Amino acid sequence: ETGVTQSPTHLIKTRGQQVTLRCSSQSGHNTVSWYQQALGQGPQFIFQYYREEENGRGNFPPRFSGLQFPNYSSELNVNALELDDSALYLCASSLTANTEAFFGQGTRLTVV
Amino acid sequence: EDQVTQSPEALRLQEGESSSLNCSYTVSGLRGLFWYRQDPGKGPEFLFTLYSAGEEKEKERLKATLTKKESFLHITAPKPEDSATYLCAVEIVGSARQLTFGSGTQLTVLP
Repeated sequence: ETGVTQSPTHLIKTRGQQVTLRCSSQSGHNTVSWYQQALGQGPQFIFQYYREEENGRGNFPPRFSGLQFPNYSSELNVNALELDDSALYLCASSLTANTEAFFGQGTRLTVV
Repeated sequence: EDQVTQSPEALRLQEGESSSLNCSYTVSGLRGLFWYRQDPGKGPEFLFTLYSAGEEKEKERLKATLTKKESFLHITAPKPEDSATYLCAVEIVGSARQLTFGSGTQLTVLP
């Protein structure tokens, strides 16, 4: 079952702007991962947080940053938006870093 | 370089027509292989995790199998509600649930 919620569901931003996406993990889950999914592609790993610390990062530039809060909710921040940042951003939570990950419904970001 | 390849890219079946989806992988060390189902505009829904060659798991009309080089998702007597994109992902040893996904197989089951 999934109790991961993401907000907002849709967002339109202008190139060069900054955006913050939010994720509430399933109750009790202390690990949150963020993925970017371009149209027609599989999700690509951005980074993971475990107990408020970054626990791994994929091949994304530093303008992609994140936070995890004491209640294990999380934010993804993207600065200096580019057109290619348009995608579905997915948050996944798991009980620990070693159990199955459950995904939220995603945030559809469009950069114009 | 770690790589996951899914085939076919798209598959159209008649209701009741069984088939298989393929996920081949080249990784430095496999910790686990995952299958997800994704409906349009939604997040992936977890289906199965497989950890070792020879392992099989079943859920309703779906069965997943794993060898040292690939995994298959067998769909028996599919129904239109099985239409979705099926994603395969691998977790590399030491990567702590950081999943590397394939591009998916878009399955359409016609009534």
